[in-house]
Amino acid sequence: KAGVTQTPRYLIKTRGQQVTLSCSPISGHRSVSWYQQTPGQGLQFLFEYFSETQRNKGNFPGRFSGRQFSNSRSEMNVSTLELGDSALYLCASSLSPGQINEQFFGPGTRLTVL
Amino acid sequence: AQSVTQLDSQVPVFEEAPVELRCNYSSSVSVYLFWYVQYPNQGLQLLLKYLSGSTLVKGINGFEAEFNKSQTSFHLRKPSVHISDTAEYFCAVTVNDMRFGAGTRLTVKP
Repeated sequence: KAGVTQTPRYLIKTRGQQVTLSCSPISGHRSVSWYQQTPGQGLQFLFEYFSETQRNKGNFPGRFSGRQFSNSRSEMNVSTLELGDSALYLCASSLSPGQINEQFFGPGTRLTVL
Repeated sequence: AQSVTQLDSQVPVFEEAPVELRCNYSSSVSVYLFWYVQYPNQGLQLLLKYLSGSTLVKGINGFEAEFNKSQTSFHLRKPSVHISDTAEYFCAVTVNDMRFGAGTRLTVKP
């Protein structure tokens, strides 16, 4: 069974631009969560989607948004990029919502904002 | 809200020595606790989790952790480490959303 895939793996953008990251969960998994990992702030929860609905959201500004499609694939978008948005963005999938279930993480998308 | 503190940012040990990675949490309600491992350029992999029941939890790769409610701790242990255990380890707690500790870099030296 294929694991969680994230595209692209690496991305370089400039301040003010917007970016869209994609995540394909493990087949059969309907819950997708997104995390931001930085050296300064560590791993921080962004949001969780299940059945195309956002179930939970972390403490991030409105520039960060996401969505989930009917096939459970998810995208996250960051608008008006700032230097501080440079990070590794991790996607995780699980069979059902609620993060007590085992989450399977993708390798991440490394975003660099210049 | 819940929070997690990993007490050591770096832990160097020699191969075949025992290791303990310390994790304390705070929460006003019952929590679920996890340990994840992250190898270079990879995502996180679940080592073990505590949801309820026995306070001693066994995980993959020979790791185990003990939930101590009175001390609000969930320390990770392995009796004999290998070079391949070199990685970043994250303790996490969840009530509504998952909160991670800052991570402990375990370096196993030959």
